[in-house]
Amino acid sequence: DGGITQSPKYLFRKEGQNVTLSCEQNLNHDAMYWYRQDPGQGLRLIYYSQIVNDFQKGDIAEGYSVSREKKESFPLTVTSAQKNPTAFYLCASNYRGQDYGYTFGSGTRLTVV
Amino acid sequence: QQQVKQSPQSLIVQKGGISIINCAYENTAFDYFPWYQQFPGKGPALLIAIRPDVSEKKEGRFTISFNKSAKQFSLHIMDSQPGDSATYFCAASMRGGANNLFFGTGTRLTVIP
Repeated sequence: DGGITQSPKYLFRKEGQNVTLSCEQNLNHDAMYWYRQDPGQGLRLIYYSQIVNDFQKGDIAEGYSVSREKKESFPLTVTSAQKNPTAFYLCASNYRGQDYGYTFGSGTRLTVV
Repeated sequence: QQQVKQSPQSLIVQKGGISIINCAYENTAFDYFPWYQQFPGKGPALLIAIRPDVSEKKEGRFTISFNKSAKQFSLHIMDSQPGDSATYFCAASMRGGANNLFFGTGTRLTVIP
C-alpha cells in the first residue's frame, strides 16, 4: 500500500544534540513538507520541497535543516540551535501544483531530556 | 499572522447532536478549503474539501458550508458519534503558489455518549 512512513515514532534528544527524523513516501508525490505541531497552535510549516534537490524555508525554519536527494525521502534534522524542540513532527506530501490534499505520515514525537 | 482562523478551540457535543466548527480567512486568492481529522498520536487525514464555486458539499454525515462573500466556511457533523471525537483542522490553499496549505489552529471535539 502507498503511504508515508515516518520514523522513529518516539525520539529523545539530549541538550546540544542533533537528531534526524526520517520521512519516506512511495506515492510518487513531487512535493513534501515538514510541520511541527504544538498544543493549541495547530500545524506550523518548517520546510517544504517541490522537487528533488530543492527546498524552501517555511514559517519556523530556524534550528532545522532538510535535504531532498531522492524524490521518496525528505529527512529533517533538528539541530542544537533549536531551543525548544519538544513537539510532534509531521511529514506530508502531495502532487506539485495539485490541491488534492496532503497525505500525512503518522508523526514523530520528539522529547528533549 | 494566522491566515485561517478557527473556532471554537474545543467542543463538547452529546451523541446524536450536531457539531459545528467555523473558519474564516482573509486572502481571497484561496481556492481550496479542506478539512482534516486527527486522532491522538496520528497524522491528520483528509476528511472533506470544497472549492469556492459551490456553497455546500456533503459526504455522509459531514457537510462543508461555504460563504464566499463572508470569507467563512464551516464543518457540520450530523448525528455526532463518540468515534468522531478527534481534533479537526480547517485549511486553505491557492493554486499557482507554493501549494502550501495554511491551517487553522484546530478544534478538539469530544462526543459524549
